[in-house]
Amino acid sequence: EPEVTQTPSHQVTQMGQEVILRCVPISNHLYFYWYRQILGQKVEFLVSFYNNEISEKSEIFDDQFSVERPDGSNFTLKIRSTKLEDSAMYFCASSNPWDLSYEQYFGPGTRLTVT
Amino acid sequence: AQTVTQSQPEMSVQEAETVTLSCTYDTSENNYYLFWYKQPPSRQMILVIRQEAYKQQNATENRFSVNFQKAAKSFSLKISDSQLGDTAMYFCAFVNRITSYGGATNKLIFGTGTLLAVQP
Repeated sequence: EPEVTQTPSHQVTQMGQEVILRCVPISNHLYFYWYRQILGQKVEFLVSFYNNEISEKSEIFDDQFSVERPDGSNFTLKIRSTKLEDSAMYFCASSNPWDLSYEQYFGPGTRLTVT
Repeated sequence: AQTVTQSQPEMSVQEAETVTLSCTYDTSENNYYLFWYKQPPSRQMILVIRQEAYKQQNATENRFSVNFQKAAKSFSLKISDSQLGDTAMYFCAFVNRITSYGGATNKLIFGTGTLLAVQP
């Protein structure tokens, strides 16, 4: 069964450094999402992406964040200058435009630790 | 604003028993979808069950079923014959049925979760 994959599974970085989190969505999906979950808290929407542009972003998704689909398969989230409060689990998700259930398929997540 | 509320931070149930997790939501929309996601210790998000708001019939998936009360904006999850593998965090989530070009703005709105422990 096709699945969303994410790399790395765990990233440790120092405050102020740039990080890039990578996702490979399911191949025939056209909508892509990033969500964040701070430890012990709920999952929060960051951004959605369609047709090579951001379609919606939350207030969390400030100028330090960017997303890109550099080729036909990868979808990346970049944090330019990480802060301690960026430590969280980051989930990528994708969905199929013909799936009228609006189900989003989640990757296994990347745990980001900022020290 | 659209919100999802899960009022039970933690629940415990004996193996083979039945447990119900509650969820309420707030929206002014009429067309939407509701989901229950399971997050085991691995932290993978796994879809358990979904409900379309325009369907009166409650969704069921094997041991999992929902009680969807649209007027009350309530969407509870019932787990029958609980198993040790059901131990996980359970999140209720909501998405609008967007009428735009395809649904790229279909962000999921999650509740705060209920930690379910199944006791042997």
